[in-house]
Amino acid sequence: EMQLLESGGGLVQPGGSLRLSCAASGFTIRNYAMSWVRQAPGKGLEWVAVSGGSGGNTFYASPAKGRFTVSRDNSKNTLYLQMNGLRAEDTAVYYCAKEGNYYSMDVWGKGTTVTVSS
Amino acid sequence: QSALTQPASVSGSPGQSITISCTGSSSDIGAFNYVCWYQQHPGKAPRLVIYDVKNRPSGFSDRFSGSKSGNTASLTISGLQAEDEADYYCSSYSRITTRVVFGGGTKLTVL
Repeated sequence: EMQLLESGGGLVQPGGSLRLSCAASGFTIRNYAMSWVRQAPGKGLEWVAVSGGSGGNTFYASPAKGRFTVSRDNSKNTLYLQMNGLRAEDTAVYYCAKEGNYYSMDVWGKGTTVTVSS
Repeated sequence: QSALTQPASVSGSPGQSITISCTGSSSDIGAFNYVCWYQQHPGKAPRLVIYDVKNRPSGFSDRFSGSKSGNTASLTISGLQAEDEADYYCSSYSRITTRVVFGGGTKLTVL
């Protein structure tokens, strides 16, 4: 069974940093594009960033550009999201997701909560 | 404000059918057949229910169907069941962002 498990969330002050991890099991992330999607409290889904499979490029949503960096360690079958310069509006549950057919996200983790507050 | 527009809520009685719309533009839904629908129960992760406009993931209920006309995609759930009560989100590839955009979500209430 394909599974994803996020970790690394927590409470951080404005301007601080966090690194989220997403450990995959049941499949090899090397072969797939992997995305981060977030959901602010009581709000909808927002795509954040993607790491292309097989050495593909990374892309970021406008709010994440210049502050967030997505990376992967294929040897550890793990995806990362380094978040710097965090703002209150970054408060959300962060999900990682495996991309299947043409921009569909067919496997999701349970999410990790990031709270940015002083 | 989300790139794709969905009704905030829909409702139906058990056994009935409901349809949720998702309106975009000629830069996303109207240009590509890369529309997906996700179901999200409270406190849970989203789950893919439709991809490529009308395809269901393996083993998923055939009570769920998708379609598209012009810049609007639709999700239809037939034979409503209590467990269908959830939030539903549409998504599409967008040539403007060159990645995925989501709708604002629709809360389905089974009366």
